[in-house]
Amino acid sequence: AQTVTQSQPEMSVQEAETVTLSCTYDTSENNYYLFWYKQPPSRQMILVIRQEAYKQQNATENRFSVNFQKAAKSFSLKISDSQLGDTAMYFCAFMGAGTALIFGKGTTLSVSS
Amino acid sequence: ETGVTQTPRHLVMGMTNKKSLKCEQHLGHNAMYWYKQSAKKPLELMFVYNFKEQTENNSVPSRFSPECPNSSHLFLHLHTLQPEDSALYLCASSLQRQTNTGELFFGEGSRLTVL
Repeated sequence: AQTVTQSQPEMSVQEAETVTLSCTYDTSENNYYLFWYKQPPSRQMILVIRQEAYKQQNATENRFSVNFQKAAKSFSLKISDSQLGDTAMYFCAFMGAGTALIFGKGTTLSVSS
Repeated sequence: ETGVTQTPRHLVMGMTNKKSLKCEQHLGHNAMYWYKQSAKKPLELMFVYNFKEQTENNSVPSRFSPECPNSSHLFLHLHTLQPEDSALYLCASSLQRQTNTGELFFGEGSRLTVL
């Protein structure tokens, strides 16, 4: 069975700094998708970034980028130039063929001024 | 209204009560999901509906009963719950179940407290 592990329950960073959230996963599949979702306090969870496993190039969305290491089954999220609005819980998620999204436990990120 | 709307946002119920959670999406999606979010645990997928048909039930206790009358509405009927059922219940939708985009659109959740 696939599993997603986020080893950092909480992290904090100052505005304008860079922070990296870690995620590892376990699967025997070769083709799959990885995601980072963001859940701001009392607000809806939204998709931040998506990575297809067959693509070697790391996905980037503005200040958000990933470091995808397929052999190591690692999928970290880097947030550059952190902003107060980045304060949220971040979930790493995995989707294999024909399966629903499998989420990790989440990392609570606090950005302070 | 747009997006995914969940009501009520907060619900407190006793173990003998019967209540329902409602989810409505205005995105034209055909798949809808119920997730349970508990502190310090991964999101747990409970049920999936695709074109109004239930396609997944992840061994959810029968005290949770889903209903999907059409592609836009999803209910979760609750009865004789236990205190450990207290959690945030999230509804989500996607274009359809067999999609490779993986993008789910979530509601804000219904915070359930069972006394």
